[in-house]
Amino acid sequence: ILNVEQSPQSLHVQEGDSTNFTCSFPSSNFYALHWYRWETAKSPEALFVMTLNGDEKKKGRISATLNTKEGYSYLYIKGSQPEDSATYLCAFKGVGGSEKLVFGKGTKLTVNP
Amino acid sequence: SQTIHQWPATLVQPVGSPLSLECTVEGTSNPNLYWYRQAAGRGLQLLFYSVGIGQISSEVPQNLSASRPQDRQFILSSKKLLLSDSGFYLCAWGLLADTQYFGPGTRLTVL
Repeated sequence: ILNVEQSPQSLHVQEGDSTNFTCSFPSSNFYALHWYRWETAKSPEALFVMTLNGDEKKKGRISATLNTKEGYSYLYIKGSQPEDSATYLCAFKGVGGSEKLVFGKGTKLTVNP
Repeated sequence: SQTIHQWPATLVQPVGSPLSLECTVEGTSNPNLYWYRQAAGRGLQLLFYSVGIGQISSEVPQNLSASRPQDRQFILSSKKLLLSDSGFYLCAWGLLADTQYFGPGTRLTVL
């Protein structure tokens, strides 16, 4: 059974703080790592797809890094804003015939004004 | 552009009643289709996925079933709902192992 872990489970920060959280995944048979942002009452929205060790992706104030050899990815948010409040999910795709993603439980971020 | 629809948005059903949730995708052909559930306090759990018409892979043993009668239609069903079936159900589509795009979801409450 594939295990994708995210930490912390929840996080409260003040507006303007920078923050980061972690996704851990199996380091073998890696194909891709996805990050999603899930706001309350909305659908999960794709942020990044990362496939290469050392990959770094950026979208505005949000960026992510990938280490496939040790099996982790970090998501960073610079200068958090209240609208960044959401649950951030990572999802692992392994090599093989299956077309599924294995999701972590998410990190719930609350940014206080 | 691609669009994914799910209905109903919310549903309250008694224990033992049947269930049918429908998902349709527009603007793409032969997508992979997925059903996920988020139960209270838990992560997003993959229930079923389909790589083509009539092809269903089940991830978790349960009293739910899925069908794909048409290329862009995915249906989640149950003959008799359990209390534990309550949750938020999301349909998603994707191409091969690429990003998945989620529908608006259905909030199911089983009483």
